[in-house]
Amino acid sequence: DAGVIQSPRHEVTEMGQEVTLRCKPISGHDYLFWYRQTMMRGLELLIYFNNNVPIDDSGMPEDRFSAKMPNASFSTLKIQPSEPRDSAVYFCASRLGGSLPNYGYTFGSGTRLTVV
Amino acid sequence: GESVGLHLPTLSVQEGDNSIINCAYSNSASDYFIWYKQESGKGPQFIIDIRSNMDKRQGQRVTVLLNKTVKHLSLQIAATQPGDSAVYFCAENYGGTSYGKLTFGQGTILTVHP
Repeated sequence: DAGVIQSPRHEVTEMGQEVTLRCKPISGHDYLFWYRQTMMRGLELLIYFNNNVPIDDSGMPEDRFSAKMPNASFSTLKIQPSEPRDSAVYFCASRLGGSLPNYGYTFGSGTRLTVV
Repeated sequence: GESVGLHLPTLSVQEGDNSIINCAYSNSASDYFIWYKQESGKGPQFIIDIRSNMDKRQGQRVTVLLNKTVKHLSLQIAATQPGDSAVYFCAENYGGTSYGKLTFGQGTILTVHP
């Protein structure tokens, strides 16, 4: 298995532009998570899905952020319009649900976003 | 103005020493805990996990201890090697109505000197 795949690896964009980050979870995993990592705030959970349905989006900073999971093999995190304070590394992770001990959260390599 | 980032705890050890990294978690309903290692430029990598009905679990060179009374978790690394240098995070999986929600502690920087 190729693991959790995120694209792009790096993104540089101008303030005000729309940014879309992509994630392909591990096949068969039914939970998907989006995290943001900054020096200021560490690793923050933004939103997570179970069976393609958003379960908790309380970590999404504001309405400029949106996430979708149209099918079990693909998710997007969109920022529109982007601002310099959105600059961070965004991670996607997936895991297999079910009862313990079948947990296993696997992280992608992240997308480093820079908004100038 | 000058931005202030997180001041992560740091631990410096000599190669071959044992390391102990500590973590306080927040949710008494958490039912599962994981330690992750993050190297520069990479995503968090799973090290070891433990369920809330256990107080100790051992892996290869690593041991996790869980004290639910004081909501404390520790990671012990035996015979620490330079390749162990990284940031280590504990994470807790919420139980109850927030089942499946995984949140992270702030992290500890481990530096291993040859």
